[in-house]
Amino acid sequence: KQEVTQIPAALSVPEGENLVLNCSFTDSAIYNLQWFRQDPGKGLTSLLLIQSSQREQTSGRLNASLDKSSGRSTLYIAASQPGDSATYLCAVRGGNQFYFGTGTSLTVIP
Amino acid sequence: DAGVIQSPRHEVTEMGQEVTLRCKPISGHDYLFWYRQTMMRGLELLIYFNNNVPIDDSGMPEDRFSAKMPNASFSTLKIQPSEPRDSAVYFCASSFRGTYQETQYFGPGTRLLVL
Repeated sequence: KQEVTQIPAALSVPEGENLVLNCSFTDSAIYNLQWFRQDPGKGLTSLLLIQSSQREQTSGRLNASLDKSSGRSTLYIAASQPGDSATYLCAVRGGNQFYFGTGTSLTVIP
Repeated sequence: DAGVIQSPRHEVTEMGQEVTLRCKPISGHDYLFWYRQTMMRGLELLIYFNNNVPIDDSGMPEDRFSAKMPNASFSTLKIQPSEPRDSAVYFCASSFRGTYQETQYFGPGTRLLVL
């Protein structure tokens, strides 16, 4: 069974810093990988989706990379802002199933 | 578009009662997903539909849980009888397998507390 791990579980950085969130998965036979953010008491918002044939995707200050062979993905956030504070989850699709990590809780300190 | 709509937003019930959660996906989306989120287990996929047909229900915890999608604009998740361990936030999400390549859009969730 696919296992998705996100380390660290929590991260606190000062405003303006660049940061990297990590996601690892055990089975490289994935269809795609998606990064989400979740604000307290809210649903998930999709940030970036990377197909298995792609290496990275970019949206504004966000850049997600995918290395299938090593079972890793990173989400890079440039020039962090307090509004980026949230929990970030990665999810992989393998076959008919979707597997989520437990998330990294990010706090950006003004 | 109003996004994915879920009702009720909060539900408190007693053990043994039937609970029905409702979801309206984004118009034009052909996939619908039901998830459960708890502190202990994180986010788990329960079941998903494609064009109103259940594709994978292997995440449904037991026979007490059932889901239906009678048409493209409505789905229900039913728990009968409910138990305290069913307490969680239940999310519905929808997607369109097209230009945006399966990006999932989540509803606000239903917070269920079973006493």
